[in-house]
Amino acid sequence: DSGVTQTPKHLITATGQRVTLRCSPRSGDLSVYWYQQSLDQGLQFLIQYYNGEERAKGNILERFSAQQFPDLHSELNLSSLELGDSALYFCASSAGGYSNQPQHFGDGTRLSIL
Amino acid sequence: GENVEQHPSTLSVQEGDSAVIKCTYSDSASNYFPWYKQELGKGPQLIIDIRSNVGEKKDQRIAVTLNKTAKHFSLHITETQPEDSAVYFCAASADGQNFVFGPGTRLSVLP
Repeated sequence: DSGVTQTPKHLITATGQRVTLRCSPRSGDLSVYWYQQSLDQGLQFLIQYYNGEERAKGNILERFSAQQFPDLHSELNLSSLELGDSALYFCASSAGGYSNQPQHFGDGTRLSIL
Repeated sequence: GENVEQHPSTLSVQEGDSAVIKCTYSDSASNYFPWYKQELGKGPQLIIDIRSNVGEKKDQRIAVTLNKTAKHFSLHITETQPEDSAVYFCAASADGQNFVFGPGTRLSVLP
């Protein structure tokens, strides 16, 4: 058990809809990272938050947004969903912001767009 | 930006043999190189990592080597066991940001 909790485990919705994925980091970790994993793209870094502030941005679409709350949990919001957004979405947490601290992953949310 | 290549994409070994997975990176600013193991239905699990000021690191049956000049690093698993079967990912990062992952290697350990 990594200590990172993601909810829900599965999400099925339709094109054009909006969903929110939730992540609770390990106790004491200040950084949260979001990744998308699809069969043909591997693990793609989306965005990082550190202690409530955005720290780094990767290949995140404009239809996607995230935030980290004062209690350090994070949410990833996906809107105007398309079939191609079907994927596993992982959250990871680490202790640091700029330092090379190990990341610990949750078990992901599987998003299926019908 | 950073690009990480990983080879082979699939690897089958007999139980007890060694397995080696190689990754190359492009950005000389990368200074942190973790390896992850992902089992079916689970998130990636960190198994070993190495920083750029170290050439080799070992943890029981697992070792990682880093060649900064050539920009490549490798995962070595000795005395493989069936429970080592999984997908393995390498990654590269500069100062804990923008982690770039390799495409993964599916390792099968045959009993």
